[in-house]
Amino acid sequence: GEDVEQSLFLSVREGDSSVINCTYTDSSSTYLYWYKQEPGAGLQLLTYIFSNMDMKQDQRLTVLLNKKDKHLSLRIADTQTGDSAIYFCAERRSGYSTLTFGKGTMLLVSP
Amino acid sequence: DTGVSQNPRHKITKRGQNVTFRCDPISEHNRLYWYRQTLGQGPEFLTYFQNEAQLEKSRLLSDRFSAERPKGSFSTLEIQRTEQGDSAMYLCASSLGSRTDLRNTIYFGEGSWLTVV
Repeated sequence: GEDVEQSLFLSVREGDSSVINCTYTDSSSTYLYWYKQEPGAGLQLLTYIFSNMDMKQDQRLTVLLNKKDKHLSLRIADTQTGDSAIYFCAERRSGYSTLTFGKGTMLLVSP
Repeated sequence: DTGVSQNPRHKITKRGQNVTFRCDPISEHNRLYWYRQTLGQGPEFLTYFQNEAQLEKSRLLSDRFSAERPKGSFSTLEIQRTEQGDSAMYLCASSLGSRTDLRNTIYFGEGSWLTVV
């Protein structure tokens, strides 16, 4: 997972926006994904973006992709306590079927 | 429930014993993946199948690990002569891979926790 880097921890207050950042190294990556993992559970797919897109919005989630800088971000609007979890960024490299994950960002939302 | 199903969810075993995990993918998904996740880390790829063919294996998959998908539906992951370092969560995932659908969105199960004592 060292090819995909994320900050380890983010703390926000309920109602604020959260921004989770990710950098990746492979410029051939075709799709980039965000997954959410709650304690003791598997990974839940949140959203994904194709590499020829700059932005994708899905309800409270906004994904921004800067392909030049290989930087991906996930913005969660109106963050709720139920959003507290670990968020993983993952890249799918061209020609591969599998995903390479970052180490995850723990988001803590306080009331 | 039509998601990826894994069992057992938790397994505690003594060092040196063999363990087997089962994964039932989403119906009609032709691709099946196994990942391993240790505390504080992201999932790491182990192996993947397209139908019954095992197409790729990671260097993490030592010769004590074997995965099968005999009929292209469910899969098993067996670990022989377990070691304490094998303690982790083993995640199964599936996708509907297609040459015309590049998304190949991968859906994960709830994972199987292994503790080797």
